[in-house]
Amino acid sequence: GQQLNQSPQSMFIQEGEDVSMNCTSSSIFNTWLWYKQDPGEGPVLLIALYKAGELTSNGRLTAQFGITRKDSFLNISASIPSDVGIYFCAGQTTGTASKLTFGTGTRLQVTL
Amino acid sequence: GAVVSQHPSRVICKSGTSVKIECRSLDFQATTMFWYRQFPKQSLMLMATSNEGSKATYEQGVEKDKFLINHASLTLSTLTVTSAHPEDSSFYICSALRVAGQGGYEQYFGPGTRLTVT
Repeated sequence: GQQLNQSPQSMFIQEGEDVSMNCTSSSIFNTWLWYKQDPGEGPVLLIALYKAGELTSNGRLTAQFGITRKDSFLNISASIPSDVGIYFCAGQTTGTASKLTFGTGTRLQVTL
Repeated sequence: GAVVSQHPSRVICKSGTSVKIECRSLDFQATTMFWYRQFPKQSLMLMATSNEGSKATYEQGVEKDKFLINHASLTLSTLTVTSAHPEDSSFYICSALRVAGQGGYEQYFGPGTRLTVT
């Protein structure tokens, strides 16, 4: 199935640094979602974006829905060790199907 | 709110047997649930859409006779892996669809079920 291109694939950062990752698609989506997945767990919803150009924050997390509706980015400010995990973007089309298309994931590791 | 549970969390079965996995939305009703499969170090791949009271919709390449889905109530969907083989070993994750405040839809995921077929 289709997957969205997510970059970077992985990153090592130091505690306290800011992190930025993005997601691009060849298709238009009406909703962008960002999830975090810890090993052996299901993804946890972090932020949902519903309008092109929308900028939404959730604590230290900020995400934006691209104007073209084909991309989104996620920023994490002042990273802490518990931010470690895999971050997935997901695009959703409208309608009752509401299926998600997932990105390839960004693996984040935070060093002290 | 928006809690989704899965049972069992881990299961080991012998090749040729069938395994049932349950997915429950605990604090909201979900007419639509989804089943995903995730292989190590890969992203989630949608297997099927489970609709309450009707037949599931399967993604291309997913065998509907092998992966039986039943969505009998607004809070429960089950996935049965029939005649399991070692290549069916994977992490199976369900999600439930909930209407969001801004009129959109959000998917909330269960904790996953690790299936190992020996």
